[in-house]
Amino acid sequence: NAGVTQTPKFQVLKTGQSMTLQCAQDMNHEYMSWYRQDPGMGLRLIHYSVGAGITDQGEVPNGYNVSRSTTEDFPLRLLSAAPSQTSVYFCASRTDRGFPRGNYGYTFGSGTRLTVV
Amino acid sequence: RKEVEQDPGPFNVPEGATVAFNCTYSNSASQSFFWYRQDCRKEPKLLMSVYSSGNEDGRFTAQLNRASQYISLLIRDSKLSDSATYLCVVNPSGTYKYIFGTGTRLKVLA
Repeated sequence: NAGVTQTPKFQVLKTGQSMTLQCAQDMNHEYMSWYRQDPGMGLRLIHYSVGAGITDQGEVPNGYNVSRSTTEDFPLRLLSAAPSQTSVYFCASRTDRGFPRGNYGYTFGSGTRLTVV
Repeated sequence: RKEVEQDPGPFNVPEGATVAFNCTYSNSASQSFFWYRQDCRKEPKLLMSVYSSGNEDGRFTAQLNRASQYISLLIRDSKLSDSATYLCVVNPSGTYKYIFGTGTRLKVLA
């Protein structure tokens, strides 16, 4: 199993450009989330999904869109990039199978380092 | 008050020492708790879940204190390779969201 795969690993955008960060998981996990990590602020939830076709906003959703057309894929779209979106983005997935003693913590992808200039 | 709070550290300890971190949470109805480890410029990785009765995995012991609303992580016989940032994670009851603390940095010194 590859786990959670994120692409690209690095990206530089100009202010106003749009782009899509890709995320795919091959573990048949129900839940997927996008986090951003900034120095001193920890991981903040952008959007999450509890299954194909179902998404919801997290703590910092403005400027981002998501969709979940399949169980495997959960892309994050930046609509019009701003310097404040310079960050490290992590996609993660988890399952509730095996609750309450199963391993139901999130598995993370390796991240996308995004710089907006 | 933040939903999840951790002492940022750094905790500098010699090899072989025992070190403990605490993490406090504000939602008394929280039901799931975890400790993650994050190395510099890497993704967070699940270290262990935290069960109500406490649990141990090798040199690592996790405890939950619901009355005082905190979880703890104890590392015995610290190794150089334990140097990392340790993230506390809480899942508030009734939500699908996992809330991360900002992390506690540990440096194990030779």
